[in-house]
Amino acid sequence: EIRMTQSPATLSVSPGESATLSCRASESVANNLAWYQQKPGQSPRLMIYGVSARASGVPVRFSGSGSGTEFTLTISSVQSEDFAVYYCQQYNNRPPWTFGQGTKVEVK
Amino acid sequence: QEHLVESGGTLVKPGGALRLSCAASGFRFSDFYMSWIRQAPGKGLEWIAYISSGGTSVKYADSVKGRFTVSRDNAQNSLFLQMNSLRVDDTATYFCARDTVGMDVWGKGTTVIVSS
Repeated sequence: EIRMTQSPATLSVSPGESATLSCRASESVANNLAWYQQKPGQSPRLMIYGVSARASGVPVRFSGSGSGTEFTLTISSVQSEDFAVYYCQQYNNRPPWTFGQGTKVEVK
Repeated sequence: QEHLVESGGTLVKPGGALRLSCAASGFRFSDFYMSWIRQAPGKGLEWIAYISSGGTSVKYADSVKGRFTVSRDNAQNSLFLQMNSLRVDDTATYFCARDTVGMDVWGKGTTVIVSS
């Protein structure tokens, strides 16, 4: 099973600042990497798939990068609605799919 | 508009069984793979099961293998999760999701509590 490790666990940012979230895979997942946003009491929302493709309706301030085992989600100018928990997930080849443990983006 | 609605979650005793359902609408259900994902209270996301579009291929997480069974009825646009031999650590909100490149459509979830 591929392990996904996210860092940091919590990221404190002020509105308008940029935020950089990291995700590391225990082995290569090629470009089969997605990012999700989850707000309290809500289901997850797909933000990024294929490392860098924005899902439908996702603002351009969200961008993804990386390859192989190291991936990054960047929020270029954090807005109030962006404070949430973010999860990375690999979907390489065949299940089991695995998620990282999440990074909480909170108000500084 | 694509929509998924889970149902069937409730309080159940350890060792008991439960069947969750997921009703799909707004898209051609039979064209898509589907997954179940769960989230224990205050914890992260855990993928637990996956089924191919035709239902012929299924995969499970080790944590549920041999106890849970995923199935689907494409004529009824429905996905199911049969959960047997439930344990206290199965307590979670269970989500169904459309599985494409990542999971692009999610339901709101249904809560299962396993407690004596």
